[in-house]
Amino acid sequence: DAKTTQPPSMDCAEGRAANLPCNHSTISGNEYVYWYRQIHSQGPQYIIHGLKNNETNEMASLIITEDRKSSTLILPHATLRDTAVYYCIVRVARAGGTSYGKLTFGQGTILTVHP
Amino acid sequence: DTAVSQTPKYLVTQMGNDKSIKCEQNLGHDTMYWYKQDSKKFLKIMFSYNNKELIINETVPNRFSPKSPDKAHLNLHINSLELGDSAVYFCASSPRNQETQYFGPGTRLLVL
Repeated sequence: DAKTTQPPSMDCAEGRAANLPCNHSTISGNEYVYWYRQIHSQGPQYIIHGLKNNETNEMASLIITEDRKSSTLILPHATLRDTAVYYCIVRVARAGGTSYGKLTFGQGTILTVHP
Repeated sequence: DTAVSQTPKYLVTQMGNDKSIKCEQNLGHDTMYWYKQDSKKFLKIMFSYNNKELIINETVPNRFSPKSPDKAHLNLHINSLELGDSAVYFCASSPRNQETQYFGPGTRLLVL
């Protein structure tokens, strides 16, 4: 699976949009971009994923550049409860063999939302 | 109506002991996983089971033995616990090997 690079930490004011970048310059054509987050003392939580089109759900939006070498997760109106570590993961969906379902977590971005 | 549950939540034990962590999911998923998060917060997959069949075994010591009695359960048994086994262990499940994995709340293991 392709490696990702994220800033170690970011701050955001409550109510403002949080834009979390991720670089994945070695991404392959069949690899998706996934975002998970881990709130303190909880298990990781799925947020969103996409292949090449921008995606939006009730939690966030995912913007993927045309060359697919980077992406941005957008939390449109951050709240204090969005303070967490955000992980950008690139992997083949429905993979077989040794990468069967495996999520490879990096260090992620610690997002702190302040009042 | 918790989706993925783990017991116990906390486990404190002595070096050399044998312990088990249980995981259950009520989502009807086919695939279950065990992840380990160490003190530096790195989260790494240990095992994956699909329909009770071992799919992934990521260079985990033989002291760790997963057991899947049925699709809804994946337990982790650890023999001869070592100090380095202290970590948070997360169970997860997904529909077959699809992208969305649902994680349990974690089991915090401390080996003294």
